[in-house]
Amino acid sequence: GIQVEQSPPDLILQEGANSTLRCNFSDSVNNLQWFHQNPWGQLINLFYIPSGTKQNGRLSATTVATERYSLLYISSSQTTDSGVYFCAVEAYKYIFGTGTRLKVLA
Amino acid sequence: GAVVSQHPSWVICKSGTSVKIECRSLDFQATTMFWYRQFPKKSLMLMATSNEGSKATYEQGVEKDKFLINHASLTLSTLTVTSAHPEDSSFYICSARGRGILYEQYFGPGTRLTVT
Repeated sequence: GIQVEQSPPDLILQEGANSTLRCNFSDSVNNLQWFHQNPWGQLINLFYIPSGTKQNGRLSATTVATERYSLLYISSSQTTDSGVYFCAVEAYKYIFGTGTRLKVLA
Repeated sequence: GAVVSQHPSWVICKSGTSVKIECRSLDFQATTMFWYRQFPKKSLMLMATSNEGSKATYEQGVEKDKFLINHASLTLSTLTVTSAHPEDSSFYICSARGRGILYEQYFGPGTRLTVT
């Protein structure tokens, strides 16, 4: 089946720093989403991005489907950005990535 | 828009009893609903996919007789954990997907199940 790997697995930043999270997938996919899971477990939709580039405030994402990867950029990070970031791809079913655990220090 | 609720948010039950978890799409019609399970500090694992009015499709390794899924309407899906055992303790999360611009997954807040 499709493998979805995220890197880095853990990331610690000072408030105000920028970061790039990566999602690699091993086969062609139909859809790709990025989520932020907050400390209470709620998954928040960040981007629906099967291809191309999107921006929303301090966050942006790029998916290069032909090369099987997606990137999530976080600029000027804030402590509220802490949590786990997941990408999820849909081929024959939805598969979640391994996650990146982000901690932003004040 | 695109709000999904889940009830209860947490439940404790005794071994051998059954527990029902409800997932509702509050402001859109969900043609497809998904149920996931998440262990501490791990990723989400898809348990089953259900389309309104048809039987759920279970992932390999998920016991359909233990985890009963019903998707009776375009806004409601239920997961019943039958004869629960301590190893069923987990965080269960549902998601719903609509049509058109809502063709992406929207997640409920999750249900933390503890079986004693």
